[in-house]
Amino acid sequence: GQQVMQIPQYQHVQEGEDFTTYCNSSTTLSNIQWYKQRPGGHPVFLIQLVKSGEVKKQKRLTFQFGEAKKNSSLHITATQTTDVGTYFCAGIAAGNKLTFGGGTRVLVKP
Amino acid sequence: DAMVIQNPRYQVTQFGKPVTLSCSQTLNHNVMYWYQQKSSQAPKLLFHYYDKDFNNEADTPDNFQSRRPNTSFCFLDIRSPGLGDAAMYLCATSREAGGPRDTQYFGPGTRLTVL
Repeated sequence: GQQVMQIPQYQHVQEGEDFTTYCNSSTTLSNIQWYKQRPGGHPVFLIQLVKSGEVKKQKRLTFQFGEAKKNSSLHITATQTTDVGTYFCAGIAAGNKLTFGGGTRVLVKP
Repeated sequence: DAMVIQNPRYQVTQFGKPVTLSCSQTLNHNVMYWYQQKSSQAPKLLFHYYDKDFNNEADTPDNFQSRRPNTSFCFLDIRSPGLGDAAMYLCATSREAGGPRDTQYFGPGTRLTVL
């Protein structure tokens, strides 16, 4: 079955620094979505990527969908304490359900 | 305005005592999902309804059942909760299942404690 892997599982980052988290699928995806879950909260939809090589930005967050539509990345610049949380990617293969990756838990050191 | 509402937010039950969790939505979405999320793990899909069609995940225990009496409401019934069922239960909705219209809107969750 479809599998979605995320690395790293944990990301400790100094406030103000940049980091990237990666998402890899075992199958080609029709689209990929990213969600953020704050500590004690619920997942909140951030963005969806559909096209091969697509890049989208939300303020300090840059999302990219790979050319082969099997991987994606989230890059955060100038990390702030408000970025703390777990970031999940979730992919859909054609006709299948949304499959979540294991998440990257981001911890910010002030 | 809240779009996906879950009640209660916290539920304590005893081992083996049936419990029902509730979810309602104001989005008029076709699809409603129930996920189980344990600490530091990704949400695990239990089942979903597309309209009235029930879709169970292959590895969801028989202990978990669901009902969707109408578009707005969906219930999760745990017939005989075990200690291993203690978790956050998340309800989510989407306009469609699969494809670009499957962006999911999550409720705040119900945290279940089993004593």
